Amino acid sequence: DAGVIQSPRHEVTEMGQEVTLRCKPISGHDYLFWYRQTMMRGLELLIYFNNNVPIDDSGMPEDRFSAKMPNASFSTLKIQPSEPRDSAVYFCASRIAGVTDTQYFGPGTRLTVL
Amino acid sequence: AQTVTQSQPEMSVQEAETVTLSCTYDTSESDYYLFWYKQPPSRQMILVIRQEAYKQQNATENRFSVNFQKAAKSFSLKISDSQLGDAAMYFCAYSNYQLIWGAGTKLIIKP
Repeated sequence: DAGVIQSPRHEVTEMGQEVTLRCKPISGHDYLFWYRQTMMRGLELLIYFNNNVPIDDSGMPEDRFSAKMPNASFSTLKIQPSEPRDSAVYFCASRIAGVTDTQYFGPGTRLTVL
Repeated sequence: AQTVTQSQPEMSVQEAETVTLSCTYDTSESDYYLFWYKQPPSRQMILVIRQEAYKQQNATENRFSVNFQKAAKSFSLKISDSQLGDAAMYFCAYSNYQLIWGAGTKLIIKP
C-alpha cells in the first residue's frame, strides 16, 4: 500500500511567487495534517482536516498561507506571495480516526524561497 | 497545555552498544498515546514505537523498547545493539488527538 505522497520533493522559487504544495493521504485515512519544520522552530502544525473539513488552522502563520482539501485523496498548501522566511520542509501526514492516533508522514517538500 | 521535553539535544553511542533517550511530558489527561519518531538525514519521519497510556506493559519493537512511567510522566526510548543506520534525529511526541512534539535528540553512532 502506498504511503503518503507529496509533491514536489524540492521547490526553489523567488520571493513574491506563488507556491503550491500537494499531498495525497493514505487511502482510507480521514485526518490530514500539514506541518512545517525549521531549525529555529522545529515541527509546527499548520492545519489539519477531518473528512476534508478544516478543523484547526490556528497554526497557519498568516493570510499568505491557505490550505484546501477538495476530496479525500488530495490536499494543497498554497503560499502567496512567498517570502524567504517561508523556506522550510513542509510535511503532510495522515491518520485514521479511532485507531491509535498514529500519524504517517510523507517524505516532505523542501521549499527554498530566494 | 500539554508539553513534551527532550532534555538531550545530542547523544552518542558506540556501535553495538545500548543507548537511552529521555522524554518527559506534561498532561492532565489520563488516556493518550506516546510515540517515538525517527528522522534520518533523508528527513523522512518514521514511526519507531508507540505506547498507549492505558497499557502498563512497555512497548517493544525488535531492538527498540520504551520505559513508560505514567506517574512520573516519563517515556524513554532504549535502543539495543546500536547500528550505523540508527543515526538520526529522534522525536518524542504526545497525542490525544493531535501530536505535541519534543525538540528532538540527535543520535550519533560511532563505528
